[in-house]
Amino acid sequence: EAGVAQSPRYKIIEKRQSVAFWCNPISGHATLYWYQQILGQGPKLLIQFQNNGVVDDSQLPKDRFSAERLKGVDSTLKIQPAKLEDSAVYLCASSLDRYNSPLHFGNGTRLTVT
Amino acid sequence: DQQVKQNSPSLSVQEGRISILNCDYTNSMFDYFLWYKKYPAEGPTFLISISSIKDKNEDGRFTVFLNKSAKHLSLHIVPSQPGDSAVYFCAARYSGGGADGLTFGKGTHLIIQP
Repeated sequence: EAGVAQSPRYKIIEKRQSVAFWCNPISGHATLYWYQQILGQGPKLLIQFQNNGVVDDSQLPKDRFSAERLKGVDSTLKIQPAKLEDSAVYLCASSLDRYNSPLHFGNGTRLTVT
Repeated sequence: DQQVKQNSPSLSVQEGRISILNCDYTNSMFDYFLWYKKYPAEGPTFLISISSIKDKNEDGRFTVFLNKSAKHLSLHIVPSQPGDSAVYFCAARYSGGGADGLTFGKGTHLIIQP
């Protein structure tokens, strides 16, 4: 089966600019996650969707980050305006269901904010 | 407040020997545990998981042990091979509430010496 697709792979922007990341999950996977991984840390959950509804966005900085999953398939994560501390790898993952299925990750987007 | 802790940032093991990676958690509500492996510039790849109703799960060269009373799990790799050199993340989930995304440790960099 095809894996989780993410684009772009790399992005360099200046602080206060905006940026968007795209994710296409594995076909049939109802649950989609966005994680942020800062260098030297483990991935940190930003937002979780079940189909096109938000399950958990408690750790999403909502003043600058937004995410949507229209039609319950593809998802986009946006940052506006970006800060230096947003430099990280943004990972998208999907799973067949919420509880006893592992998450399958894409290769991520490496964001550098200068 | 780190709920999943991997206290060894790195571990060096000779090829053919056993690699043991450790993980501790503080949230007694976690009921599903996973190990992921990550190569540079790639997303984490699922390795093996264990439910809290079990104390051991085996898959080929990989075995995960869970000690609930100690809130500790470990991953054993036998025998270790050069391709096992990667960063290993321990992750945990609580499936009983609305927020059931994975919580990750900071990772352990495993280096297999020839």
